Order: sequence, then structure tokens, then C-alpha cells
Amino acid sequence: GENVEQHPSTLSVQEGDSAVIKCTYSDSASNYFPWYKQELGKRPQLIIDIRSNVGEKKDQRIAVTLNKTAKHFSLHITETQPEDSAVYFCAASPIGYKLIFGSGTRLLVRP
Amino acid sequence: GAVVSQHPSWVICKSGTSVKIECRSLDFQATTMFWYRQFPKQSLMLMATSNEGSKATYEQGVEKDKFLINHASLTLSTLTVTSAHPEDSSFYICSAVPPSGRNLPEQFFGPGTRLTVL
Repeated sequence: GENVEQHPSTLSVQEGDSAVIKCTYSDSASNYFPWYKQELGKRPQLIIDIRSNVGEKKDQRIAVTLNKTAKHFSLHITETQPEDSAVYFCAASPIGYKLIFGSGTRLLVRP
Repeated sequence: GAVVSQHPSWVICKSGTSVKIECRSLDFQATTMFWYRQFPKQSLMLMATSNEGSKATYEQGVEKDKFLINHASLTLSTLTVTSAHPEDSSFYICSAVPPSGRNLPEQFFGPGTRLTVL
């Protein structure tokens, strides 16, 4: 089945700097790759997603890139702010809309 | 739109008892819902896919007799943790795919249910 690996597990950046989180997936049939932000005790919130027929997508300070050949996708957050501090999860959808999640990255933005 | 609720938001029970968690899509019909479990400081682990009117599909390693799933209507799926034990204590989250998800498989998550088994 699908396996999603996520790195790094923790990331600390200075406010205003960029943050990059990387994921790899194993199932070439996966065609949908969302990114979620989760605050403690809360539900995951979709922040951006990308489909396999697109290489890059941007939404203000957030961008996602996808390399299907290498089975890599990455989240880029520019001009980080303290409110960006949270746990971020990548996910891949191999079949039937189900999602397999990465292990998560705890992002800390230092003021 | 696309709001998913869960009830209860938290529950504490004694070991050996059963606990039912409800997941409702409030403003759309969902033929497919998913159940996840999340232990502290860990990721969401998919437990099962709940399909309206048919049996749930469980992920490998998830005991179907322990985690009973019923999707009796297009807006309600229930997860029953039978004979709960302390190791079942976790954050249980459901999600639902609206009909428009046929083209864009975005899932909408419920707020989660924190289960503590004493």
C-alpha cells in the first residue's frame, strides 16, 4: 500500500524566513496531495492541495511543488509568521479518495 | 458549506465498556466517510472507509470486531469502540467527501472525539 514519508519532524525558523517541508510517496497511482495544518486538539485544516497533473500551485505565502517522477512533493511557506506555528501534515490519495498521511512536521516560528 | 460534526467531543469511560462516536455531514450528503485515529504527537492513521449502505472497509491491522462502523444514512456514520481498554484512548477523527468530491477528492474533517479509557 501507499507509504508517505515526511521530513523534517521539527522545524524552527525565524519570523520572516521561509520554511520547507518535504514528503515522498511510494504509490505511483496516487493523484492527489493535500497539505494540512493542525493545531493542538483541533481538526486538520486544508491549506493547499495539488493534483498529479500539476507541477506547482501557489496561494499567497504558501506553495506546493510536485515531482511525479521522483514521487516527491514539498510545501513552501514564505515570510513566516508566529501564527504559522503548528503541526503540518502531508498526505497522498492512492485510491478511492482515502488519504495516507505523513508523520507530521512541528513548525515553530520564532518572533 | 461542507461542515462535518462529531459527537461527543470528548468521552471518558471505564475499561470494558463500549463507546459510540457519531460523525455527521451537516450540509451535504456523503456516500463515503473515513475514520482516523491519532495518538498524541503522532499522525492521523486511517482506520476504515465507511460507505453508505454497505460494509466498511478496514485498513490492515484494524480489528473490525472491535471498531464497529455503521453508515446507515447519507449524513451519518458511527464508530463504536467495543470493550474499550486504556490502549484505545486516542483522538478519533472522521472525514466526509461531498458529492463534488467526485472530481476533487477533498475531505472535510470533523472536530474529533477524544476518548479516554480508565
